[in-house]
Amino acid sequence: AQSVTQLDSHVSVSEGTPVLLRCNYSSSYSPSLFWYVQHPNKGLQLLLKYTSAATLVKGINGFEAEFKKSETSFHLTKPSAHMSDAAEYFCVVTSRGYSTLTFGKGTMLLVSP
Amino acid sequence: DAGVTQSPTHLIKTRGQQVTLRCSPKSGHDTVSWYQQALGQGPQFIFQYYEEEERQRGNFPDRFSGHQFPNYSSELNVNALLLGDSALYLCASRPRRRGDYGYTFGSGTRLTVV
Repeated sequence: AQSVTQLDSHVSVSEGTPVLLRCNYSSSYSPSLFWYVQHPNKGLQLLLKYTSAATLVKGINGFEAEFKKSETSFHLTKPSAHMSDAAEYFCVVTSRGYSTLTFGKGTMLLVSP
Repeated sequence: DAGVTQSPTHLIKTRGQQVTLRCSPKSGHDTVSWYQQALGQGPQFIFQYYEEEERQRGNFPDRFSGHQFPNYSSELNVNALLLGDSALYLCASRPRRRGDYGYTFGSGTRLTVV
């Protein structure tokens, strides 16, 4: 079985400062990992995905994440937050065969002017 | 190119009633999954369909059932609704045979049970 732990339920940053959203995973095999973003009353949008290629993954809107097997982590970062980044972010691990997605509980990112 | 389309967007039902939610996958996608997202929680996997059969199922009771049609669209049915079934129901699709492992999600159906 696989699981995901998002270490912060809420993260507050000021516009223009760096963003760090933390995610640890547990899996009995080499996992594929994703970050999704959900804006209020919207569906989920894929930010980036790790599928056993390069460990540093670049996504949309300036986000990136680094897969660290030794730490079982897949933290999401962005050098400079924008007001439009305010949303809920989900770290996700797939089952073997990619048939199911297991979501973390989410991290709400708040961006202040 | 349309993404994943879900209908209706909002729905209010009474306890004990039955509901049907609908999903049209993204063009070129043949695999459809359904997720339930309760308020303040991450989505939870209900089941997955491809080739018109249920292939995987999460920890949900038999009151939750589904169907996939030859055009790959799908329905989620919930019988004997409970207050606890109030949630955002998300449909996700992907192409099963290609190496693209990212699912595309719809905007969801907000179900309120009163």
